[in-house]
Formats: sequence, C-alpha cells, structure tokens
Amino acid sequence: AQSVTQLDSHVSVSEGTPVLLRCNYSSSYSPSLFWYVQHPNKGLQLLLKYTSAATLVKGINGFEAEFKKSETSFHLTKPSAHMSDAAEYFCVVLMDTGRRALTFGSGTRLQVQP
Amino acid sequence: SQTIHQWPATLVQPVGSPLSLECTVEGTSNPNLYWYRQAAGRGLQLLFYSVGIGQISSEVPQNLSASRPQDRQFILSSKKLLLSDSGFYLCAWSLAAETQYFGPGTRLLVL
Repeated sequence: AQSVTQLDSHVSVSEGTPVLLRCNYSSSYSPSLFWYVQHPNKGLQLLLKYTSAATLVKGINGFEAEFKKSETSFHLTKPSAHMSDAAEYFCVVLMDTGRRALTFGSGTRLQVQP
Repeated sequence: SQTIHQWPATLVQPVGSPLSLECTVEGTSNPNLYWYRQAAGRGLQLLFYSVGIGQISSEVPQNLSASRPQDRQFILSSKKLLLSDSGFYLCAWSLAAETQYFGPGTRLLVL
C-alpha cells in the first residue's frame, strides 16, 4: 500500500530565506510523486512531479524537489521565499495503476513573513 | 489547451435538500475524471472516479452519487444533504500520463 507523510503541518519563513517542506512516502513499487499548491479558496495547482526520470525535479515558481529512494523522501525546496508563496502545499503519491487515484498528504501550510 | 470548469463556485443549501455539482473538461478526450472532497482543515479524500461514460467507482459509502452522462462531464449529486457534506469539492481529470489537473472547486455549506 502507498502512503505519504508530510512532517510539518505549519512552516513559517521570512521573505527571501529558503523554504523546505518535508515529505516521506511509503510505496511497494517505484512511485510517481507530486507536489501541489493550494491558495486560499482555490483549486490545486501542480508544482512538479517525479516519474522515475531525473531525481531532481524542477517545477514552477522556482520550486524543486529531490527524490531520494534510500530515504523514501521527496522534500520540496525553494532558495528564496516570496510573499506570494504563502499557501498550503500537498505531497501526493499515485496510489495504484488500476485506479490511478492519488493519495494526499495532510498538507503543510507555509507562512511567509515580511 | 485543456481546461476544467466547475460550478457553482459557492453553494449554501439546507439540510435535506438535493445537490448537483457539475464538472466539465475541454480540450481533451476520454479523460479519467475524479471527485474529491476537502473538509475544513483536512486533506483531500477521493469520492468517485470514472474511466469512461457511465463507468463510476465509489471510494467511500455515503449519501453522494456521481454520474458521467458525457465523455467530458462529471456530476456529483445527492438526494438529501447532511451537515457533514459541507466542504470544498474538487473535480480533476487525467490521461494516461498520470498527472491530475484540478478545477477551481465548489465550496458547499450545508446549514
């Protein structure tokens, strides 16, 4: 069975400082992993995805994530936070090939202080 | 390019009333379609998914139902709403590439 754990429910950073949102996954086979962002009262926007190509994945808005199989991690990073990055971030694993359904982490709320 | 629409954007309904939320996708054919619910302060829960017209799979037993009358139309319904049905409902689509793309959502408040 697949599962995903986001280690921090809230993260607060100052504008211009690095962002690290942590995610660990559990999967019985090589997973597909995603990060989505949700701004208040909005739908989910895909930031980036990993599908067994390069382990370092670059996404939109300067975000990137590194797939580390040995650590079963897929942490999301950004070198310099912007006020507009304040949102909820979800780490997601593709559940199984039959249903093509996603399993979501519980989310990390990112606050960016001026 | 593909776009996904949901309406209404916001809905306030009394307990016991019926519900119909609509989702349509443009710019693609034969998509997989999904309904998720996001309760306040919680993650997303998959409610239904569909791999084709008339083909609906339910993930959780509840008083909601889904239908897919056309290839790019997905409808979420209820005959009698409960207070616990309040939440943010998101529709998503995908193709074989796995990535799911989400609509803007419908916020439902049941009073």
